[in-house]
Amino acid sequence: GQQLNQSPQSMFIQEGEDVSMNCTSSSIFNTWLWYKQDPGEGPVLLIALYKAGELTSNGRLTAQFGITRKDSFLNISASIPSDVGIYFCAGLTNTGNQFYFGTGTSLTVIP
Amino acid sequence: EAQVTQNPRYLITVTGKKLTVTCSQNMNHEYMSWYRQDPGLGLRQIYYSMNVEVTDKGDVPEGYKVSRKEKRNFPLILESPSPNQTSLYFCASSSSAPMETQYFGPGTRLLVL
Repeated sequence: GQQLNQSPQSMFIQEGEDVSMNCTSSSIFNTWLWYKQDPGEGPVLLIALYKAGELTSNGRLTAQFGITRKDSFLNISASIPSDVGIYFCAGLTNTGNQFYFGTGTSLTVIP
Repeated sequence: EAQVTQNPRYLITVTGKKLTVTCSQNMNHEYMSWYRQDPGLGLRQIYYSMNVEVTDKGDVPEGYKVSRKEKRNFPLILESPSPNQTSLYFCASSSSAPMETQYFGPGTRLLVL
């Protein structure tokens, strides 16, 4: 199957710091999505990106759909303790039916 | 309340004993999907369904079966479970377009001995 490489694998940051993570693929995707998973729960959609070059914000979160359509970036500004969790990128194939997820970035925010 | 429910939440079984994990959504969604989550591998799609009676293989369908006889239900069947199917399983649904928000169930943790 297709591989989405997500980095970094884990991050430990101080409260108030900004966070950046990215996701790269060997294949082109038509849609990129970013999810957050809290312990013991299913992933929740944070941001969806539909066009190459698109930059979208959701509160303190900003994500970009790479120009090559093979990568995406997520930034979190002024992190707070409730940002703790695992963040996943996901790509939707050209057919629009099948999802591929990244391996996740585990974020720990130190108060 | 709009939700995706899965049962059971936890299951311990033995190799070869057939099992079914149920998934139900109350949002009239057309798209439903099953994923497994393993450490270091993220979520991998097992099967998905675009609508009633329409199912397709995802990335890792081997050893699994699904059915979609009704819009709200999408059970995952393991005919002969093996230890390598020990995992955390999630069901998800979304409206007609898969790129719309997928709502995930709470997960089913399966241990196959």
